[in-house]
Amino acid sequence: AQSVSQHNHHVILSEAASLELGCNYSYGGTVNLFWYVQYPGQHLQLLLKYFSGDPLVKGIKGFEAEFIKSKFSFNLRKPSVQWSDTAEYFCAVRDSSYKLIFGSGTRLLVRP
Amino acid sequence: GAVVSQHPSWVICKSGTSVKIECRSLDFQATTMFWYRQFPKQSLMLMATSNEGSKATYEQGVEKDKFLINHASLTLSTLTVTSAHPEDSSFYICSARDMGGAYEQYFGPGTRLTVT
Repeated sequence: AQSVSQHNHHVILSEAASLELGCNYSYGGTVNLFWYVQYPGQHLQLLLKYFSGDPLVKGIKGFEAEFIKSKFSFNLRKPSVQWSDTAEYFCAVRDSSYKLIFGSGTRLLVRP
Repeated sequence: GAVVSQHPSWVICKSGTSVKIECRSLDFQATTMFWYRQFPKQSLMLMATSNEGSKATYEQGVEKDKFLINHASLTLSTLTVTSAHPEDSSFYICSARDMGGAYEQYFGPGTRLTVT
């Protein structure tokens, strides 16, 4: 069965620091990959997605992610975080049945 | 953008009663909707896939008689938690798959269920 691993459960950064959140998946077939963000008290929002093509994907709010097929990874990055980026971040993989399988999430706290 | 609503946003019920949660796609049609459960500080766990006009497909370990799903129209799916118990207290989130475009899923704001 497919699974998604997020290695960092809690991350604390100061404003302007760079961010990288790890995500690895296990699925041998064609996958679609997603990063979602859940701000405190709000619903899940799509940050970015990868279906095919350029493995470096740019999303909203300055986030980007790189799909490395050989490593089964889809890490999320942002060069300079802001206090408003404090949220929980979920990596997800979608298989051929269109089900989304989520990772355990990473709570990011950005200190002003 | 596509909007998915859920109603109610928060419900408290007594043990043994049933609770119905609605999920609506407001500006698009969705033949498929998904129901997730999120425990505090944990990830979303897919409970079932709801298909318009047919029976829902439940994930392993999810009791179909406990969590009744009805997808009667292209814009509405309902989840009924029957004979609720305190261990059913959780955050229930639905998503709807847009029939157009790239079949993206759009998430509702969630419903917090507390069973006393």
